[in-house]
Amino acid sequence: DTEVTQTPKHLVMGMTNKKSLKCEQHMGHRAMYWYKQKAKKPPELMFVYSYEKLSINESVPSRFSPECPNSSLLNLHLHALQPEDSALYLCASSQVGSGRGTDTQYFGPGTRLTVL
Amino acid sequence: DAKTTQPPSMDCAEGRAANLPCNHSTISGNEYVYWYRQIHSQGPQYIIHGLKNNETNEMASLIITEDRKSSTLILPHATLRDTAVYYCIVKTDSNYQLIWGAGTKLIIKP
Repeated sequence: DTEVTQTPKHLVMGMTNKKSLKCEQHMGHRAMYWYKQKAKKPPELMFVYSYEKLSINESVPSRFSPECPNSSLLNLHLHALQPEDSALYLCASSQVGSGRGTDTQYFGPGTRLTVL
Repeated sequence: DAKTTQPPSMDCAEGRAANLPCNHSTISGNEYVYWYRQIHSQGPQYIIHGLKNNETNEMASLIITEDRKSSTLILPHATLRDTAVYYCIVKTDSNYQLIWGAGTKLIIKP
């Protein structure tokens, strides 16, 4: 089973709203990732959690706040977003969380976010 | 980090083998080649990866040239459900980054 689930599938929010994206995996993976994907572009890495600790923040604006409550869950808290933040937000997980070449990342279906 | 180059689009007839090329001429010895595909508006799906040797799984085969400067993903019997954007990716052995190519839009025609 290589399933990563994400909720909600779609989200529309205003620039003053606070919302959260959720991601869950039950594969026993120790690393979890957030990516952002704009139309017709490949995904861009935002954050990496390894063993529930934030390992990488790719200079993401503070209006995006990640949280890893436990090894199976990953949240992305959104506040005061801009219309240009509208995108597909993807969660992924990998088994070891070492960054090694064989540590395959498995992606969820994504949340389509629209900021008005 | 190594970069990958892929053709922007390809067609293939249903039932035939789809061969998707990728150039990664600056790949280093410790960098892996990964392939993912993305069906419209869905999350990327892992297909296969390799370092030096050719690899095969239930979805596809990966052929890596001896000098490792290019590779080919082979879908042996393409179906309409294989229509997707296919990404060739290089991944180092030392960090989390996936170096994505621009992708090939593969269209399977009946």
